[in-house]
Order: sequence, then C-alpha cells, then structure tokens
Amino acid sequence: QQQVKQSPQSLIVQKGGISIINCAYENTAFDYFPWYQQFPGKGPALLIAIRPDVSEKKEGRFTISFNKSAKQFSLHIMDSQPGDSATYFCAASRGNQGGKLIFGQGTELSVKP
Amino acid sequence: DAGITQSPRHKVTETGTPVTLRCHQTENHRYMYWYRQDPGHGLRLIHYSYGVKDTDKGEVSDGYSVSRSKTEDFLLTLESATSSQTSVYFCAISQGWPNYGYTFGSGTRLTVV
Repeated sequence: QQQVKQSPQSLIVQKGGISIINCAYENTAFDYFPWYQQFPGKGPALLIAIRPDVSEKKEGRFTISFNKSAKQFSLHIMDSQPGDSATYFCAASRGNQGGKLIFGQGTELSVKP
Repeated sequence: DAGITQSPRHKVTETGTPVTLRCHQTENHRYMYWYRQDPGHGLRLIHYSYGVKDTDKGEVSDGYSVSRSKTEDFLLTLESATSSQTSVYFCAISQGWPNYGYTFGSGTRLTVV
C-alpha cells in the first residue's frame, strides 16, 4: 500500500530555473515530512523537513510548501544548478511509530547547463 | 557516511544461499532500519529496531530476518536468497523523537544469480 505518492518521476530543468516536486499522502496521522537527496552510488541525505504546524519552510534555495487540508507537500528548488542533479525522495512518518519513514517513489532531477 | 557503515558494499550470491548484511553505527542512536531501493518503488522498509533485541517488521519483510544484539550492530539476513531480492539495501539510523531525521549508510548492492 503506497501511502506517499510522488510526482513527477523525472524532471528536466534549465540552469537558473525552478524545480518543483510534489507529494501527496493519505494518513492524516503523519506528523513529520522530510525530503532526501540522493546522488548516484550514495545513500540518501536529509535535505529539509517540515512539521504540519507550519505551511512553509525555507533553507537556502530549498523550500517545502505544506498544505494540510489537501494532504500535499512540495519541494521547490530555486535557481536550480547542475549540482542539484540527483534523485529526490519525499517521506512521511508518525511519531508514535518509532519515526519509521514511508517514502515516495522518487524523482530524478536533471538540471541542464 | 559519518557514524554508520554497511558491509559488504557489493555482493553476488547464488539463489538459495543465506546472506547476511551488516550495519554498524557509532552514534549510539536508538532506532535502526533496513530499507531496499528498487527503481519505481523508492525506498521500502524491510525491518526496523527500536532497541537491543527489539525489532519489528516493515512492509516488505517476507524472506528477511534481522537481529540486534548490541546497540551498534543491526544485521539483515536473507534466509534463502531469491532473484527478487536483487536490490540495493540501505541501513539508516535515527535518534527518534523529536529528531526523526535519518542518517543513511552508503548501501549494499546485492545481486542474486
């Protein structure tokens, strides 16, 4: 059962453009929503995370937008750079389940110079 | 990745043989997880541990077992490897509430022939 759905599967953006990746979840008990970045041959690394009591969180060029009523959240990468080319995963978890994360299917981002 | 190591990094094994993957952490984190990564499926939870000798099943646990006899080590065993278990396996650690962020290992690429 896929509880977190991520789109698109792949994304090509020009350097300097905005990359947008979307996720939708089903379980309203989720209370932690992180994004992970993965480069080829490496493990995923935490990029940014949000809790449902805020609608937006920004760290540098990366912003999470959160819509609790729609059960959706998205990652925006401003001024995208070729070094941002990677696979991005959204995830969600419930605090009383040991923090175990349910991941989306992943989005392969390619930023063209 | 700092504080967490997986071994081996690559392994080729024959169908029907048992295989054990090791995850070792030096962070003294309570929670440890095993995920598998397959194209189109993202990361799926196999098993997780919330303390020494305390483990539980994830969404894709069939054919796998785990053990955690020390805080720092979490072992994943494929009891009788099948071709469907060819995958990249990631171990992750977490402190738990309120810091749910995972630190992932570098992964083990397992091929079952």
